[in-house]
Amino acid sequence: EVQLVETGGGLIQPGGSLRLSCAVSGLTVTSNYMTWVRQAPGKGLEWVSIIYSGGSTYYADSVKGRFTISRDNSKNTLYLQMNTLRAEDTAVYYCARGDCGRTSCYTFDCWGQGTLVTVSS
Amino acid sequence: DIQMTQSPSSRSASVGDRVTITCRASQSIRSYLNWYQQKPGKAPKLLIYDASSLQGGVPSRFSGSGSGTDFTLTISSLQPEDFATYYCQQSYSTPITFGGGTKVEI
Repeated sequence: EVQLVETGGGLIQPGGSLRLSCAVSGLTVTSNYMTWVRQAPGKGLEWVSIIYSGGSTYYADSVKGRFTISRDNSKNTLYLQMNTLRAEDTAVYYCARGDCGRTSCYTFDCWGQGTLVTVSS
Repeated sequence: DIQMTQSPSSRSASVGDRVTITCRASQSIRSYLNWYQQKPGKAPKLLIYDASSLQGGVPSRFSGSGSGTDFTLTISSLQPEDFATYYCQQSYSTPITFGGGTKVEI
């Protein structure tokens, strides 16, 4: 059974940093496209970042230069390092797997339960 | 960036109703369109991929159609567990974009 478990969320002051983790079981992070999607309170889904199986990374313009996606092969874990946080980064952050067995690797079939990040003074 | 526009933003319906949700892309995305269902406090769940392919385990009352710029999600006979918010997502290119969501409520 595939399981994704996000941790690391919490209350952080504007300008601060936070690192989210997504511990994965049942699949190998390095063999898959892995992504972060966020959802501000009461709002819709917003894609944040993706890392390809080959290691290439891409970001939404809203986080480019502030967030960094990475992975640890030995821990089978995905990360999102978030720096210079702003109030508008407040959201539930989900990790998900992009299934390259489909026509597009940007089809997200397995999701974690999410972790809440609140940026406020 | 490809903009995804869903309509309606909310839909009142009753059990047994046929419900149709539309999604329009700002440019052609061929059939690279996915639909997700999200219930309050839960992660999104993949329903339909590649515009019309049913994800495993998803009831057959859900169906998708369309290509190019115009897409439709149809629930043939709404069940109590279907009251949720539905999102389309283009899987054609980065930045990956979602529609604004359609809340199906009683």
